[in-house]
Amino acid sequence: AQTVTQSQPEMSVQEAETVTLSCTYDTSENNYYLFWYKQPPSRQMILVIRQEAYKQQNATENRFSVNFQKAAKSFSLKISDSQLGDTAMYFCAFSNTGNQFYFGTGTSLTVIP
Amino acid sequence: SAVISQKPSRDICQRGTSLTIQCQVDSQVTMMFWYRQQPGQSLTLIATANQGSEATYESGFVIDKFPISRPNLTFSTLTVSNMSPEDSSIYLCSVGDRGSFGYTFGSGTRLTVV
Repeated sequence: AQTVTQSQPEMSVQEAETVTLSCTYDTSENNYYLFWYKQPPSRQMILVIRQEAYKQQNATENRFSVNFQKAAKSFSLKISDSQLGDTAMYFCAFSNTGNQFYFGTGTSLTVIP
Repeated sequence: SAVISQKPSRDICQRGTSLTIQCQVDSQVTMMFWYRQQPGQSLTLIATANQGSEATYESGFVIDKFPISRPNLTFSTLTVSNMSPEDSSIYLCSVGDRGSFGYTFGSGTRLTVV
């Protein structure tokens, strides 16, 4: 069974600073996808970034980047130049089919002005 | 990516009643998914809705409590039946976006049962 673990229930960062959110997962699959989703107070789940397991290069989307360590089954999210709008719950997710997802318990991030 | 319209956005319901949540997608999709997010918790998959067949429910969820309809490739409903305060949650529909291999979510329905 696939499991996703986020060990940081809450984090905070000063505006303009960098923060890293941790995620580990467990799977016996070799091909899969990893995601970070953002859920602001509006409740809307927004895809932040995705990573294919077969790609060694870490994904990057503007201020968001990941550190994907396949052997360690680790998938951390780095947010650079944090902005107030980054305040949200962040969920790490795993999928081996592109359809069914497994979500972590989330990390609540607060950006402090 | 797909755009999903989910209604209602919130509702307060009496114990013992039922609420039907609707999701409309702007493109045809094979599979739609219904999730529950209890207060302060992560997302739990309720069921997968396929057009033309019965929904597939996850462990702990049954059709009598959460009947699902999927009349066509752009629409689905989830009914929360015979509600109790324990059903107070956010309910989200989603579709798999094969373009990005990521889920697209509806905006969620915040249900409070009193």
